[in-house]
Amino acid sequence: GQNIDQPTEMTATEGAIVQINCTYQTSGFNGLFWYQQHAGEAPTFLSYNVLDGLEEKGRFSSFLSRSKGYSYLLLKELQMKDSASYLCAVMDSNYQLIWGAGTKLIIKP
Amino acid sequence: GAVVSQHPSWVICKSGTSVKIECRSLDFQATTMFWYRQFPKQSLMLMATSNEGSKATYEQGVEKDKFLINHASLTLSTLTVTSAHPEDSSFYICSARTSFDYNEQFFGPGTRLTVL
Repeated sequence: GQNIDQPTEMTATEGAIVQINCTYQTSGFNGLFWYQQHAGEAPTFLSYNVLDGLEEKGRFSSFLSRSKGYSYLLLKELQMKDSASYLCAVMDSNYQLIWGAGTKLIIKP
Repeated sequence: GAVVSQHPSWVICKSGTSVKIECRSLDFQATTMFWYRQFPKQSLMLMATSNEGSKATYEQGVEKDKFLINHASLTLSTLTVTSAHPEDSSFYICSARTSFDYNEQFFGPGTRLTVL
């Protein structure tokens, strides 16, 4: 079966750094996505990795290791507005997105 | 970036009635649209995939006669929840992609459905 695992909840301090991990087992691989979702809103796109390595975009970076079936999202200089759920999703061989359950990130002052 | 709209943003209805949700791609042609459902504190669950001009493909466990999907044009797909019941109360989200970039899906803002 297809499976995406990520922690249910994480807590971090404003101004700090947090890393959200995601492991996956899917039928084929056409890329891994990270989305941010605030309560009551639709997901918004953060990053896309299809090759191994680190993609940096401002305060957010995403890493992929296809051989390990592993990715992480790194958030630096945390701000209160970063409190949200972060969803890891993998596009399988049929170009369908397989979603993780999401990691709720709580930022404390 | 590409914009996808959904209407209505939220709807409250009585049990037994039908509710139609529209999903529109505003500045691009969406050959494929996806309908998701999300219950509180859970991740997105794909309900169905619809391609313009053809019948939708439903995921296992999703009743096609209850959740009617019409993708009549390259910019509009509709989801009709027929004979809605309280257990259908959820957050419904559509997304759209083009025929030339399978890697990118653009999400609508979602529709909050509450069935009394």
